[in-house]
Amino acid sequence: GENVEQHPSTLSVQEGDSAVIKCTYSDSASNYFPWYKQELGKRPQLIIDIRSNVGEKKDQRIAVTLNKTAKHFSLHITETQPEDSAVYFCAANDSGGSYIPTFGRGTSLIVHP
Amino acid sequence: DGGITQSPKYLFRKEGQNVTLSCEQNLNHDAMYWYRQDPGQGLRLIYYSQIVNDFQKGDIAEGYSVSREKKESFPLTVTSAQKNPTAFYLCASEGYNEQFFGPGTRLTVL
Repeated sequence: GENVEQHPSTLSVQEGDSAVIKCTYSDSASNYFPWYKQELGKRPQLIIDIRSNVGEKKDQRIAVTLNKTAKHFSLHITETQPEDSAVYFCAANDSGGSYIPTFGRGTSLIVHP
Repeated sequence: DGGITQSPKYLFRKEGQNVTLSCEQNLNHDAMYWYRQDPGQGLRLIYYSQIVNDFQKGDIAEGYSVSREKKESFPLTVTSAQKNPTAFYLCASEGYNEQFFGPGTRLTVL
């Protein structure tokens, strides 16, 4: 089955800095990679996703990159703000069958004002 | 935050008791899931259901049971066989490859 590794487990940055969270996956059949943000005490919510037919996707201050050869993908947040503080989860899924994503263990991002 | 709901928000249970967590969705989604979330462990899949009257075990199904009698509902029962049930439980449904999560139920075993 799929295995997703996520690093770092904790990331502390100053407001305005950039933050990068990295994930690797094991199953070369995986072709859909969503990222979720979970604020303290709240539900995870999809913030951005990427499919294997593209290498990069941007949405305002967040971007995701994918390297299929190396089987890794990353979340980039620029100009971080205190409200970006949350736990971020990456996931990987092989859309050839049922939608059963495998999640990383999460990264706790702390943005200091 | 509508679409998928869970109840109760907090649940306390004595050891040896079974408890049932509710999950309801009005998104007309066929697929529904139950996850367990522990600190530093990410989201671990307990059970999932792709269609009414059918469900499959996930990675950590031992000590849990589910039913899917209606499309809108996917209740999870935490049985006394679950050795460490204290956790945050999240229900989700899926449409067009996007999962929508409920607000979660925090279960504490006293």
